[in-house]
Amino acid sequence: GDSVTQMEGPVTLSEEAFLTINCTYTATGYPSLFWYVQYPGEGLQLLLKATKADDKGSNKGFEATYRKETTSFHLEKGSVQVSDSAVYFCALSNTGFQKLVFGTGTRLLVSP
Amino acid sequence: EAQVTQNPRYLITVTGKKLTVTCSQNMNHEYMSWYRQDPGLGLRQIYYSMNVEVTDKGDVPEGYKVSRKEKRNFPLILESPSPNQTSLYFCASRSAGGTEAFFGQGTRLTVV
Repeated sequence: GDSVTQMEGPVTLSEEAFLTINCTYTATGYPSLFWYVQYPGEGLQLLLKATKADDKGSNKGFEATYRKETTSFHLEKGSVQVSDSAVYFCALSNTGFQKLVFGTGTRLLVSP
Repeated sequence: EAQVTQNPRYLITVTGKKLTVTCSQNMNHEYMSWYRQDPGLGLRQIYYSMNVEVTDKGDVPEGYKVSRKEKRNFPLILESPSPNQTSLYFCASRSAGGTEAFFGQGTRLTVV
């Protein structure tokens, strides 16, 4: 079945450092890909998405490019802030979007 | 404000005592889902509903029931909770024509 693999955390960075969180997927067909963010004590919020190969999703300084050849959707940000500390989930949706398949989540900790 | 509302946010109960977690959305979304979040496993879908009176099993439906009598509500029922159902539960909704899922704030359930 479909699956998502993302790097183990926590990822610990200093403010203004460059961030990469790796995400690879296995899926039949042409899934849509998502990054969700979960701030402490809150539900998940959509951060960005890409629905076809070579699409780049971006939001709040975060970017991810849908790479079909490497089945990847790595999350990047050029300069992280303390307020970016959260858990980040990579996810895919196939078969009419009835289900989101999530990775295990990566906790990001940014120190001042 | 567009939102998905779950209640309660926190619940501690004893094995075997029936409970219901409510979920309501005010966006007129057709699709609703329940997920559970466990450490190291990410989020897994329990049940989903594509519209009123239309529900189906997700990946981990054992021990749960749902109903969709009204479009806005999608309660999760645990008829006889067991300790392995201790988890963080999220309700989500999405429009039939959209790709973004909106999540509630979560219900942390502890079964002792």
